[in-house]
Amino acid sequence: AQKVTQAQTEISVVEKEDVTLDCVYETRDTTYYLFWYKQPPSGELVFLIRRNSFDEQNEISGRYSWNFQKSTSSFNFTITASQVVDSAVYFCALSEAVGYGGATNKLIFGTGTLLAVQP
Amino acid sequence: SAVISQKPSRDICQRGTSLTIQCQVDSQVTMMFWYRQQPGQSLTLIATANQGSEATYESGFVIDKFPISRPNLTFSTLTVSNMSPEDSSIYLCSVEGPPGVPYNEQFFGPGTRLTVL
Repeated sequence: AQKVTQAQTEISVVEKEDVTLDCVYETRDTTYYLFWYKQPPSGELVFLIRRNSFDEQNEISGRYSWNFQKSTSSFNFTITASQVVDSAVYFCALSEAVGYGGATNKLIFGTGTLLAVQP
Repeated sequence: SAVISQKPSRDICQRGTSLTIQCQVDSQVTMMFWYRQQPGQSLTLIATANQGSEATYESGFVIDKFPISRPNLTFSTLTVSNMSPEDSSIYLCSVEGPPGVPYNEQFFGPGTRLTVL
């Protein structure tokens, strides 16, 4: 079954610390996509990154970086030099192709990690 | 990215009533999705809405409780019927496939916070 596990329920760090959010997934598909979303207290979901299963290159975007390892089915997210504005719930998600010919994709979300960055 | 708006942004409703949530996108999209996020929980897909066809519901969700309309490629509604306090959640719509965006990328609306008394 498709599943996303975010074992860290809450993380608290002090500003400027680095923090890594873990994500482990299970899927029977050979082609799939992984995502990270940020949900600040306002509630809106903000798209951060999408990675397909054939691209294992790590990615860096400013203070954000992602480590995708198929061998361990993990897609971890690191924030370098954290800031108070990074405080939010972060969701990892896995796409599942459904429907005729896999024409439809739905997202399966992990339970989220609440990150609190203290000043 | 697609710009998605939802109405209402929040509402407080009485048990037994129904609420219709609207989702409007600024571009034509193939797929629209409705998710529910119960307090302190993750997001769960309710249904997938294609224009011109019946919505496809996930296990545990039924059309009588959550009827969905998709009259065109930029608009959808979700109705939460005969509400109970357990329906108190954030309801989010999302879209896939706006022009110029890679296949399979989804963007979310701001959500509708529903409280049922």
